[in-house]
Amino acid sequence: SQKIEQNSEALNIQEGKTATLTCNYTNYSPAYLQWYRQDPGRGPVFLLLIRENEKEKRKERLKVTFDTTLKQSLFHITASQPADSATYLCALTPYSGGGADGLTFGKGTHLIIQP
Amino acid sequence: DTEVTQTPKHLVMGMTNKKSLKCEQHMGHRAMYWYKQKAKKPPELMFVYSYEKLSINESVPSRFSPECPNSSLLNLHLHALQPEDSALYLCASSQDGQGWSGSKNIQYFGAGTRLSVL
Repeated sequence: SQKIEQNSEALNIQEGKTATLTCNYTNYSPAYLQWYRQDPGRGPVFLLLIRENEKEKRKERLKVTFDTTLKQSLFHITASQPADSATYLCALTPYSGGGADGLTFGKGTHLIIQP
Repeated sequence: DTEVTQTPKHLVMGMTNKKSLKCEQHMGHRAMYWYKQKAKKPPELMFVYSYEKLSINESVPSRFSPECPNSSLLNLHLHALQPEDSALYLCASSQDGQGWSGSKNIQYFGAGTRLSVL
Protein backbone atom coordinates (compact mmCIF):
# COMPACT_ATOMS: atom_id res chain seq x y z
CA SER A 1 0.00 0.00 0.00
CA GLN A 2 1.05 3.60 -0.48
CA LYS A 3 2.67 5.28 2.51
CA ILE A 4 4.07 8.68 3.33
CA GLU A 5 6.19 8.92 6.48
CA GLN A 6 7.58 12.00 8.15
CA ASN A 7 10.50 11.22 10.37
CA SER A 8 9.36 12.67 13.62
CA GLU A 9 6.18 13.89 15.19
CA ALA A 10 7.96 16.74 16.96
CA LEU A 11 11.25 18.51 16.48
CA ASN A 12 12.75 21.09 18.85
CA ILE A 13 15.34 23.44 17.36
CA GLN A 14 17.15 26.40 18.84
CA GLU A 15 16.52 29.74 17.17
CA GLY A 16 19.02 30.52 14.44
CA LYS A 17 19.79 26.88 13.66
CA THR A 18 18.72 24.97 10.56
CA ALA A 19 15.70 22.71 10.92
CA THR A 20 15.64 19.64 8.67
CA LEU A 21 12.46 17.65 8.19
CA THR A 22 12.26 14.34 6.34
CA CYS A 23 9.52 12.83 4.19
CA ASN A 24 9.80 9.26 2.91
CA TYR A 25 7.33 7.50 0.67
CA THR A 26 6.68 3.99 -0.61
CA ASN A 27 4.67 2.67 -3.54
CA TYR A 28 4.36 6.06 -5.19
CA SER A 29 5.88 7.25 -8.43
CA PRO A 30 5.25 10.93 -7.92
CA ALA A 31 5.78 13.49 -10.63
CA TYR A 32 6.02 16.12 -7.88
CA LEU A 33 5.88 16.56 -4.12
CA GLN A 34 4.53 19.47 -2.09
CA TRP A 35 5.20 20.90 1.37
CA TYR A 36 2.59 22.75 3.41
CA ARG A 37 2.61 24.56 6.74
CA GLN A 38 -0.30 24.31 9.14
CA ASP A 39 -0.88 26.45 12.22
CA PRO A 40 -3.31 25.34 14.97
CA GLY A 41 -6.94 25.73 13.96
CA ARG A 42 -6.05 26.86 10.43
CA GLY A 43 -5.94 25.23 7.02
CA PRO A 44 -2.61 24.18 5.48
CA VAL A 45 -0.70 26.82 3.53
CA PHE A 46 1.32 25.86 0.46
CA LEU A 47 5.07 26.44 0.74
CA LEU A 48 6.97 24.68 -2.03
CA LEU A 49 6.51 22.22 -4.88
CA ILE A 50 9.37 20.19 -6.32
CA ARG A 51 9.17 18.11 -9.48
CA GLU A 52 10.78 14.71 -10.07
CA ASN A 53 13.37 16.19 -12.43
CA GLU A 54 14.41 18.87 -9.91
CA LYS A 55 16.98 18.09 -7.27
CA GLU A 56 16.49 21.21 -5.18
CA LYS A 57 14.13 24.17 -4.83
CA ARG A 58 14.61 27.31 -2.75
CA LYS A 59 12.35 30.06 -1.50
CA GLU A 60 13.86 32.61 0.86
CA ARG A 61 14.97 30.62 3.96
CA LEU A 62 13.30 27.42 2.75
CA LYS A 63 14.95 24.65 0.74
CA VAL A 64 13.49 21.38 -0.48
CA THR A 65 15.33 18.44 -2.02
CA PHE A 66 13.81 15.47 -3.81
CA ASP A 67 15.57 12.14 -4.32
CA THR A 68 13.38 9.78 -6.33
CA THR A 69 15.93 6.97 -5.95
CA LEU A 70 15.83 7.15 -2.17
CA LYS A 71 12.10 8.05 -2.32
CA GLN A 72 12.78 10.92 0.03
CA SER A 73 12.34 14.66 0.32
CA LEU A 74 14.15 16.88 2.80
CA PHE A 75 12.77 20.23 3.90
CA HIS A 76 15.15 22.76 5.43
CA ILE A 77 14.49 26.03 7.23
CA THR A 78 17.68 28.03 7.69
CA ALA A 79 18.16 30.74 10.34
CA SER A 80 15.05 29.44 12.07
CA GLN A 81 12.83 31.82 14.04
CA PRO A 82 10.14 31.21 16.69
CA ALA A 83 7.56 32.30 14.08
CA ASP A 84 8.52 29.21 12.06
CA SER A 85 6.98 27.03 14.79
CA ALA A 86 4.14 25.08 13.16
CA THR A 87 3.27 21.66 11.76
CA TYR A 88 4.86 20.92 8.40
CA LEU A 89 3.19 18.46 6.07
CA CYS A 90 4.52 16.78 2.96
CA ALA A 91 1.96 15.80 0.36
CA LEU A 92 1.72 13.58 -2.69
CA THR A 93 -1.05 12.85 -5.09
CA PRO A 94 -2.10 9.21 -4.93
CA TYR A 95 -3.43 9.25 -8.46
CA SER A 96 -1.73 9.00 -11.79
CA GLY A 97 -2.33 12.59 -12.73
CA GLY A 98 -4.14 13.98 -15.73
CA GLY A 99 -7.00 15.34 -13.66
CA ALA A 100 -7.71 17.25 -10.49
CA ASP A 101 -6.04 15.11 -7.86
CA GLY A 102 -6.52 15.32 -4.15
CA LEU A 103 -3.50 15.14 -1.91
CA THR A 104 -2.39 12.50 0.55
CA PHE A 105 -0.52 14.04 3.45
CA GLY A 106 2.12 12.67 5.74
CA LYS A 107 1.33 12.82 9.44
CA GLY A 108 3.31 16.02 9.77
CA THR A 109 6.21 17.19 11.88
CA HIS A 110 5.45 19.63 14.69
CA LEU A 111 8.40 22.02 14.65
CA ILE A 112 9.14 24.11 17.73
CA ILE A 113 11.78 26.84 17.49
CA GLN A 114 12.98 27.82 20.94
CA PRO A 115 14.28 31.35 21.55
CA ASP B 1 -7.18 37.31 -3.93
CA THR B 2 -5.98 33.86 -2.82
CA GLU B 3 -8.71 33.34 -0.28
CA VAL B 4 -10.99 30.39 0.24
CA THR B 5 -13.86 31.28 2.55
CA GLN B 6 -15.64 28.67 4.63
CA THR B 7 -18.81 29.16 6.65
CA PRO B 8 -19.68 28.62 9.36
CA LYS B 9 -16.45 28.61 11.36
CA HIS B 10 -18.01 26.46 14.07
CA LEU B 11 -21.03 24.15 13.99
CA VAL B 12 -22.65 22.04 16.67
CA MET B 13 -25.32 19.62 15.57
CA GLY B 14 -27.30 16.70 16.87
CA MET B 15 -27.31 13.30 15.22
CA THR B 16 -30.74 13.89 13.70
CA ASN B 17 -30.01 17.36 12.31
CA LYS B 18 -29.41 18.36 8.71
CA LYS B 19 -26.85 21.08 8.13
CA SER B 20 -24.63 22.35 5.32
CA LEU B 21 -21.06 23.60 5.14
CA LYS B 22 -20.25 26.21 2.52
CA CYS B 23 -17.07 27.08 0.68
CA GLU B 24 -16.39 29.88 -1.79
CA GLN B 25 -13.41 30.95 -3.89
CA HIS B 26 -13.01 33.71 -6.46
CA MET B 27 -9.64 32.73 -7.90
CA GLY B 28 -11.15 31.19 -11.04
CA HIS B 29 -10.09 27.74 -9.87
CA ARG B 30 -11.84 24.81 -11.52
CA ALA B 31 -11.03 22.11 -8.96
CA MET B 32 -12.41 22.07 -5.43
CA TYR B 33 -11.91 19.63 -2.59
CA TRP B 34 -13.28 18.57 0.78
CA TYR B 35 -10.93 17.20 3.42
CA LYS B 36 -11.62 15.98 6.95
CA GLN B 37 -9.06 16.49 9.71
CA LYS B 38 -9.20 14.90 13.15
CA ALA B 39 -7.12 16.24 16.02
CA LYS B 40 -3.37 15.64 15.64
CA LYS B 41 -3.92 13.89 12.28
CA PRO B 42 -3.29 15.10 8.73
CA PRO B 43 -6.12 16.16 6.44
CA GLU B 44 -7.82 13.23 4.67
CA LEU B 45 -9.34 13.64 1.23
CA MET B 46 -13.09 13.16 0.98
CA PHE B 47 -14.24 14.52 -2.40
CA VAL B 48 -12.85 16.17 -5.50
CA TYR B 49 -14.81 18.27 -7.97
CA SER B 50 -13.29 19.07 -11.33
CA TYR B 51 -15.09 21.51 -13.60
CA GLU B 52 -18.17 21.21 -11.37
CA LYS B 53 -18.34 17.44 -11.73
CA LEU B 54 -17.63 15.00 -8.92
CA SER B 55 -14.46 13.20 -9.97
CA ILE B 56 -13.29 11.51 -6.78
CA ASN B 57 -15.25 10.15 -3.82
CA GLU B 58 -12.97 8.50 -1.29
CA SER B 59 -15.60 5.98 -0.15
CA VAL B 60 -17.22 8.58 2.07
CA PRO B 61 -20.44 7.51 3.87
CA SER B 62 -23.62 8.74 2.23
CA ARG B 63 -24.48 10.89 5.27
CA PHE B 64 -22.00 13.34 3.67
CA SER B 65 -23.34 14.71 0.39
CA PRO B 66 -21.25 17.16 -1.64
CA GLU B 67 -22.62 19.65 -4.13
CA CYS B 68 -20.95 22.07 -6.53
CA PRO B 69 -23.60 24.57 -7.71
CA ASN B 70 -21.06 26.54 -9.78
CA SER B 71 -17.33 26.90 -10.22
CA SER B 72 -16.99 29.23 -7.22
CA LEU B 73 -19.09 27.38 -4.68
CA LEU B 74 -18.83 24.04 -2.92
CA ASN B 75 -21.25 22.71 -0.33
CA LEU B 76 -21.16 19.72 1.96
CA HIS B 77 -24.58 18.58 3.16
CA LEU B 78 -24.65 16.72 6.43
CA HIS B 79 -27.39 14.39 7.65
CA ALA B 80 -27.62 11.84 10.46
CA LEU B 81 -24.00 12.27 11.47
CA GLN B 82 -22.30 10.32 14.22
CA PRO B 83 -20.20 11.71 17.08
CA GLU B 84 -17.08 10.27 15.41
CA ASP B 85 -17.72 12.63 12.49
CA SER B 86 -16.68 15.53 14.73
CA ALA B 87 -13.64 17.09 13.07
CA LEU B 88 -12.29 20.10 11.21
CA TYR B 89 -13.68 20.12 7.66
CA LEU B 90 -11.41 21.84 5.19
CA CYS B 91 -12.23 23.08 1.73
CA ALA B 92 -9.52 23.67 -0.84
CA SER B 93 -9.28 24.76 -4.44
CA SER B 94 -6.70 24.54 -7.22
CA GLN B 95 -6.45 25.76 -10.80
CA ASP B 96 -7.38 22.31 -11.95
CA GLY B 97 -4.70 19.71 -11.68
CA GLN B 98 -4.45 18.45 -15.17
CA GLY B 99 -1.03 17.73 -16.45
CA TRP B 100 2.14 16.51 -14.82
CA SER B 101 3.74 19.80 -13.87
CA GLY B 102 1.96 19.85 -10.56
CA SER B 103 1.64 23.60 -10.33
CA LYS B 104 -2.05 23.43 -11.16
CA ASN B 105 -2.54 21.07 -8.22
CA ILE B 106 -1.22 23.54 -5.64
CA GLN B 107 -4.11 23.74 -3.21
CA TYR B 108 -5.42 26.77 -1.38
CA PHE B 109 -7.21 25.91 1.83
CA GLY B 110 -9.88 27.68 3.80
CA ALA B 111 -9.66 28.01 7.58
CA GLY B 112 -12.13 25.16 8.01
CA THR B 113 -15.38 24.50 9.82
CA ARG B 114 -15.00 22.99 13.27
CA LEU B 115 -17.88 20.49 13.52
CA SER B 116 -19.09 18.92 16.76
CA VAL B 117 -21.74 16.19 16.61
CA LEU B 118 -23.53 15.57 19.88
